[in-house]
Amino acid sequence: AQKITQTQPGMFVQEKEAVTLDCTYDTSDPSYGLFWYKQPSSGEMIFLIYQGSYDQQNATEGRYSLNFQKARKSANLVISASQLGDSAMYFCAMMGGNKLTFGTGTQLKVEL
Amino acid sequence: EAGVAQSPRYKIIEKRQSVAFWCNPISGHATLYWYQQILGQGPKLLIQFQNNGVVDDSQLPKDRFSAERLKGVDSTLKIQPAKLEDSAVYLCASSLPTSGLYNEQFFGPGTRLTVL
Repeated sequence: AQKITQTQPGMFVQEKEAVTLDCTYDTSDPSYGLFWYKQPSSGEMIFLIYQGSYDQQNATEGRYSLNFQKARKSANLVISASQLGDSAMYFCAMMGGNKLTFGTGTQLKVEL
Repeated sequence: EAGVAQSPRYKIIEKRQSVAFWCNPISGHATLYWYQQILGQGPKLLIQFQNNGVVDDSQLPKDRFSAERLKGVDSTLKIQPAKLEDSAVYLCASSLPTSGLYNEQFFGPGTRLTVL
């Protein structure tokens, strides 16, 4: 069985600062994919970034980067230069066995 | 490109009543998913379709929930009869078929169900 753990229910960050959202996972599958999604108050889930278990380099997408530490089974999301529009719920998810399993999410609030 | 459409956006019903949700995926997306997101939790997969066939419905409470995708495009999720614990946001997502792990799912805005 797959499990995703997000231990930070809420985070605050100052505008223009960087923030790290934690994610740890557990799986017995040798191959898996890790995703981060953003969910604004409007409700839709927005795909941010993907990391494959065999990818040698950490994934980056604009201001988003994924700090992938396979031995520690962690896949933390780093948002650089935070903006007010980054305030939202963030979910870490794992693809394995053709199923996407989500964590409980972290509520991020960006302050002036 | 139009996104995933869902309706209604909000629904309030009494327990033991029936309710149906509709989803129209992105054109060309063969795979369609229904998720249940209870407040404070991440989405949980209820059912996955590949065209009009069911790939995974292991977490669908089949005594009260049903879903169909008759023509391989639109899908309907039904709850009959509803219970208080069914109060949640029901998210529909779609994706292109893939044999790999990279499977970007595109989500609709969801339907927020309140059961009184």
